[in-house]
Amino acid sequence: DSGVTQTPKHLITATGQRVTLRCSPRSGDLSVYWYQQSLDQGLQFLIQYYNGEERAKGNILERFSAQQFPDLHSELNLSSLELGDSALYFCASSQLLGLVLGTEAFFGQGTRLTVV
Amino acid sequence: AQKITQTQPGMFVQEKEAVTLDCTYDTSDPSYGLFWYKQPSSGEMIFLIYQGSYDQQNATEGRYSLNFQKARKSANLVISASQLGDSAMYFCAMREVKGTGNQFYFGTGTSLTVIP
Repeated sequence: DSGVTQTPKHLITATGQRVTLRCSPRSGDLSVYWYQQSLDQGLQFLIQYYNGEERAKGNILERFSAQQFPDLHSELNLSSLELGDSALYFCASSQLLGLVLGTEAFFGQGTRLTVV
Repeated sequence: AQKITQTQPGMFVQEKEAVTLDCTYDTSDPSYGLFWYKQPSSGEMIFLIYQGSYDQQNATEGRYSLNFQKARKSANLVISASQLGDSAMYFCAMREVKGTGNQFYFGTGTSLTVIP
């Protein structure tokens, strides 16, 4: 168990809908990362938050947004869903930020999103 | 250009033998981190090993070691004494500093099958 909790584990929704994925980082971790893993795109970094602030953006669509709350849990919001958004969404957390690179990032179990 | 390249889509190894999974990376930043993750069929991402760009020695974690050749920009994972439970997808990843945060890049993965 990595200590990172993601809910829900599975989600099935229709095109055009909006969903929210939740992530609770490991105790003491201030950084949260979101990733999308799909068959055609592989593992893509979406966004990073540190202590409530957005710190880095990857290949995140404008229809997607995220935030990190004061209790450090994070939510990834996906709207106007398309079939191609079906993927495994991972959250990862780490303790330190940026220039101090000596730390690993632990992944949650992932949320499998199916858009039908 | 690809940031992370894993050229072996699939590998087979006999149980108890050692295996090397290849990874090359592309960056012009002097400060970066290299990671290997294991993804079994259950889907979770398991952190295996980390190597910092300034680390003088190759990282080792139990049966895992990282053969870091900075001039060649390669970070191969060596698994010694393979076990049946090592059968999984293996991803090489690189973290670069981006602004005030981190950007992660993943390879396409190598599927390892351990043969009894």
